[in-house]
Amino acid sequence: QTVVTQEPSFSVSPGGTVTLTCALTSGSVSPSSYPSWYQQTPGQAPRTLIYNTNTRSSGVPDRFSGSILGNKAALTITGAQADDESDYYCVLYMGSGISVFGGGTKLTVL
Amino acid sequence: EVQLLESGGGLVQPGGSLRLSCVGSGFIISYYAMSWVRQAPGKGLEWVSAISSSGDRKYYADSVKGRFTVSRDNSKNTLYLQMNSLRAEDTAVYYCAIVRWTSYYFEYWGQGTLVTVAS
Repeated sequence: QTVVTQEPSFSVSPGGTVTLTCALTSGSVSPSSYPSWYQQTPGQAPRTLIYNTNTRSSGVPDRFSGSILGNKAALTITGAQADDESDYYCVLYMGSGISVFGGGTKLTVL
Repeated sequence: EVQLLESGGGLVQPGGSLRLSCVGSGFIISYYAMSWVRQAPGKGLEWVSAISSSGDRKYYADSVKGRFTVSRDNSKNTLYLQMNSLRAEDTAVYYCAIVRWTSYYFEYWGQGTLVTVAS
């Protein structure tokens, strides 16, 4: 069974840049996986950040960007702010109507 | 403004059943595929199920296949999730979401409803 993996945790300094990644245990992530990214703070519903690899959802600041880096999908936050401290989830489309979430990355800004 | 409001969560015994509802407002639900996503306490998000805009195509995660059934009533702008043979591991907040199948992502999310399976 293919699993989607993310770094469990990451830390970034205020104003710094961080890149979170999303990988498959078997195979490479490509645009045909339609990578998307979601931000979630405790007790809140997820917020859609990025879809279709690199398209920002409405209202998402341009310091959030998505890409494919090597064989992984990536979410880069440039100029991190305190309120970026959240959990970040990627989703990959597996075909046949099935999507799979990564385990999530807990981002700390300090 | 697009809004999704889930309801129907609560405490149920193992082996029991529950039906969740998700009412949409600010948009016409019949135009969109919809999905259910859940989150166990302290855990990550898990995709559960999806249904096409007309309801003719339905998809399930292996963890719920054969026990959960997704459906919709477009005349009521409502999505449903019938959950049978519930297990302790089904305990989670259940979110409904609008799915954009052109790019296979979740565009809008509800606030979730908590399902607790315990004796």
